[in-house]
Amino acid sequence: GESVGLHLPTLSVQEGDNSIINCAYSNSASDYFIWYKQESGKGPQFIIDIRSNMDKRQGQRVTVLLNKTVKHLSLQIAATQPGDSAVYFCAENIAGNTPLVFGKGTRLSVIA
Amino acid sequence: SAVISQKPSRDICQRGTSLTIQCQVDSQVTMMFWYRQQPGQSLTLIATANQGSEATYESGFVIDKFPISRPNLTFSTLTVSNMSPEDSSIYLCSVEGFPPGLAGGFWMDEQFFGPGTRLTVL
Repeated sequence: GESVGLHLPTLSVQEGDNSIINCAYSNSASDYFIWYKQESGKGPQFIIDIRSNMDKRQGQRVTVLLNKTVKHLSLQIAATQPGDSAVYFCAENIAGNTPLVFGKGTRLSVIA
Repeated sequence: SAVISQKPSRDICQRGTSLTIQCQVDSQVTMMFWYRQQPGQSLTLIATANQGSEATYESGFVIDKFPISRPNLTFSTLTVSNMSPEDSSIYLCSVEGFPPGLAGGFWMDEQFFGPGTRLTVL
């Protein structure tokens, strides 16, 4: 399949370690944020979202942190697995006033 | 989430021709969008497909080049017209807004993507 993220920043992580992927968002009025995972040859897959009235939200092995003061979003993946290897995108919008604006993306490479 | 399918999954086309991409959702949704993802890049919104009216295009995209249809709440098409090699990209359909019942009684804001159509223009 066609590769994505050929020219994106890469984060290499040892299997079993925790991963932290960062994103600086652009619009201070944004109040809704989503992290997507995109594997090669596939469409983006929804991972987790967070609203601006929260600063942390946890899912299964993933945590999203939101710092509105510095317009920063992070995705933490616990006990990273080879299947986590993909390109990760953050996206933002003003809820109810779509569409989403996507960040540049980060390629996560898990070393077995 | 809903099941989103796109046809074709990939195509190789000649310069100057047009290709219509279909997006089908297995449940009614309020919003449908079309994105382009050029090789090694992030996603760029082309337009919002409006049911029963003309699509809303983002800056840099025009209806003559990317005509869009949305005849109902589950289906949309994007046509890439008069193609050139610069149009080689992944084209992605996205949906948002599921009716109460599917989402436990409230409208969801999450936006979900189809598998994409990989277009190569020679």
